[in-house]
Amino acid sequence: GQSLEQPSEVTAVEGAIVQINCTYQTSGFYGLSWYQQHDGGAPTFLSYNGLDGLEETGRFSSFLSRSDSYGYLLLQELQMKDSASYFCAVISGGYNKLIFGAGTRLAVHP
Amino acid sequence: EAGVTQFPSHSVIEKGQTVTLRCDPISGHDNLYWYRRVMGKEIKFLLHFVKESKQDESGMPNNRFLAERTGGTYSTLKVQPAELEDSGVYFCASSPRDGRLAGSYEQYFGPGTRLTVT
Repeated sequence: GQSLEQPSEVTAVEGAIVQINCTYQTSGFYGLSWYQQHDGGAPTFLSYNGLDGLEETGRFSSFLSRSDSYGYLLLQELQMKDSASYFCAVISGGYNKLIFGAGTRLAVHP
Repeated sequence: EAGVTQFPSHSVIEKGQTVTLRCDPISGHDNLYWYRRVMGKEIKFLLHFVKESKQDESGMPNNRFLAERTGGTYSTLKVQPAELEDSGVYFCASSPRDGRLAGSYEQYFGPGTRLTVT
């Protein structure tokens, strides 16, 4: 089977740092992506890791360890607008088919 | 540039009825995907078009679901007859054909159609 595990909820305060972990077990693996979704909105792309290591994009960073089937999304200097659901997704095949985790709901408090 | 659009945004139908969802991808995007999120669970892949051809329809739940992509532009997803378990949010996403070659792995999602079957 194919599965991705990530925490269901995370709570943090403004200005803090939060890490959302994702472990995966899939029959094929090309890379790991992260998407953000605000309530009622479209999932939007945050990052992609194809190789082991850290990718940084502004306040957000994403990490991948292929040998551990593990990745994480790191959000720094949290802002209220970061309150949203965050999904890790494995790119599984030759045409970018995405296999999603169930999502982590992040609540940022003042 | 317009993003991915989906119509309708909400649909409430009775069990046994038919519903057709529409997706307009970003102009020029050859890849078009349908996904579904049911009751707060994971977003699940349904199928993938490259232009007008179905590349992968391994996620389609059963033969009550029919997807088409006329002329490689917009796509429709028809559910006939609808069942209670079909309720959820249906997302469409698109990406350029040569996205990977350009180092881009982003899929551009629409806002989804929330389908409620009563």
